Amino acid sequence: GAGVSQSPSNKVTEKGKDVELRCDPISGHTALYWYRQSLGQGLEFLIYFQGNSAPDKSGLPSDRFSAERTGGSVSTLTIQRTQQEDSAVYLCASSLKHGGAIYSNQPQHFGDGTRLSIL
Amino acid sequence: EDKVVQSPLSLVVHEGDTVTLNCSYEVTNFRSLLWYKQEKKAPTFLFMLTSSGIEKKSGRLSSILDKKELFSILNITATQTGDSAVYLCAVGPNNAGNMLTFGGGTRLMVKP
Repeated sequence: GAGVSQSPSNKVTEKGKDVELRCDPISGHTALYWYRQSLGQGLEFLIYFQGNSAPDKSGLPSDRFSAERTGGSVSTLTIQRTQQEDSAVYLCASSLKHGGAIYSNQPQHFGDGTRLSIL
Repeated sequence: EDKVVQSPLSLVVHEGDTVTLNCSYEVTNFRSLLWYKQEKKAPTFLFMLTSSGIEKKSGRLSSILDKKELFSILNITATQTGDSAVYLCAVGPNNAGNMLTFGGGTRLMVKP
């Protein structure tokens, strides 16, 4: 597609349930990022994928959060045993590959996000 | 810990006014500073700045970076109601990951 696509756009679930959020990046973009935007807060980095390399999970807030990216394209972010503090907008972004030893400056382009509400 | 601070937190102006939004940062390994506009959903990319003193311009919007004083400004001239949004500033490190650190944003409201 033309832009980063995320689904669902909204998700309401009960505390303790697992949720899966999906991101389809811009075609040809090998770098994919997940961020979280809580009410009144700035965007917080969660996890980064680059091609087939191991993901950088340094931003994940707890082991209830995990993500995978199959085939170097679509990514899913999974939150297990959701808690009320997980309520936020989860944004996915993608960018063109950073080339070799020279880190090219390519902007990240964002999807519309998934608004997650934990009751 | 990398830090990005934006000011003001919010701003209300009338159409035709000029506004200046501020972004200051502290990062251990700076590569680039980005500005995004967020209306209802996706932040949309405005500018990426990597060099000091070089103004980037797009229509009524312009931005400049000062790497010595560690800040950037975003100017909007002749504001319109469609400029109403949250403006986000983010800083990217000089590594392969380029995970952005965002400021809290400036909420701009332009009244007719």
